[in-house]
Formats: sequence, C-alpha cells, structure tokens
Amino acid sequence: AQSVAQPEDQVNVAEGNPLTVKCTYSVSGNPYLFWYVQYPNRGLQFLLKYITGDNLVKGSYGFEAEFNKSQTSFHLKKPSALVSDSALYFCAVRDKDQAGTALIFGKGTTLSVSS
Amino acid sequence: DVKVTQSSRYLVKRTGEKVFLECVQDMDHENMFWYRQDPGLGLRLIYFSYDVKMKEKGDIPEGYSVSREKKERFSLILESASTNQTSMYLCASSLGDRDNQPQHFGDGTRLSIL
Repeated sequence: AQSVAQPEDQVNVAEGNPLTVKCTYSVSGNPYLFWYVQYPNRGLQFLLKYITGDNLVKGSYGFEAEFNKSQTSFHLKKPSALVSDSALYFCAVRDKDQAGTALIFGKGTTLSVSS
Repeated sequence: DVKVTQSSRYLVKRTGEKVFLECVQDMDHENMFWYRQDPGLGLRLIYFSYDVKMKEKGDIPEGYSVSREKKERFSLILESASTNQTSMYLCASSLGDRDNQPQHFGDGTRLSIL
C-alpha cells in the first residue's frame, strides 16, 4: 500500500534562514512524488515533482526538493525563507508501477516564517 | 493556465438535504477528483473519474455519489447531508495520458451542514 508521512505538523523559521519541510513515502514500486502549497481559503497549488533522473528537483517560488531513494524521502527546501512562504504544505506520492492509481497526500505541514 | 472552478465557495445546508457540489475544468483533462479536507487529517479522496460516465471509489465514498456526464464537469452529491459531512471540499483535475502529471485544484467549497 502507498503512504506518505509528514512528521512535523508545524515548522517555524526566521525570515532569511533556510527551511526544510520533511516527507517520507512508502510505495511497492517506484514513486512519482509531488509537493503542493495551500494558502488560506485557497486550493492546493502545484510546486514541483520528481519523476525520474536528477535527484534534486527545482520548482516554483525558489523551492527545491531532494529525492533520496535509500531513505525513501523527498524533503522540500528553500535556501532563504520569506514571510510570504508561510502556508500549508502537502507532499504526495503515486506508485509509478501501478497505473491508474490516485495520488496519496500527507497530512500537511504548516510553515510559519517570522520576520 | 488550467482553471478548475467550483460553483460555490461557501455553502450552508440542513441535515437530510440533498446537496450538489459542482466542478468544471477548462483544459480537457480526462481525470477528475473529489477530496475532503479536515484539520489534522489532510486530504482524503472521496471519488475519482478517469473518463466520462465512469467513476471509482476513493478512500471515503460512504454517503457520497458522483456524476460525470460531460468531460469537463464532475459533480459530487451528498444524498442526505449529515453534520459529519461539514468540511472543505476540493475538486481537482489532471491529464490522463500519464500518471506523472500534477493535479490542478479548485479553490474549494466550505460546506456547513446544520
């Protein structure tokens, strides 16, 4: 069975500091991995995805994520946080080897960036 | 840009009512999805559809049904609304040819059942 874990309900960082939002996954085959961001009273916005190839994936708004197969992780990172990055972040996975399955989402991590 | 439009941002209904939530996408996507979002539980999949007139149950289909008569429209139906169906409902769509495509979300419908 597929699953995603976001071990931190909330991450607090100061503006200008690097940020990391953690995600680990479990699939029986190879994963497609996604990060989404949700601002208050809005739907989810796609940030980036890992399909294959380079383990470091760059996405929107200066975010990047590193795929680590041995640790089954896909942590979201940004070198310098902005107050406007404060939002709810979701990691999601789909098993590449099981065609037609839906995305499985983590429970979300609230990122709070203080000025 | 893909646009997924949900017909209502806020909706208040009474227990026992039949409730319709509408979702329309404008990018000719094959796949459409309905989720509910609750604090601490993340997103849970209710139903999804890979083509017109087809539907698949997600993780929590009980108390819900769906309709997809046209490719661009996917409706969620609460047959007899109950207070435990008070939630944020999110619709999404994606291209159907490859599973590596991201889903695009609407802004959600915040539904209150009184």
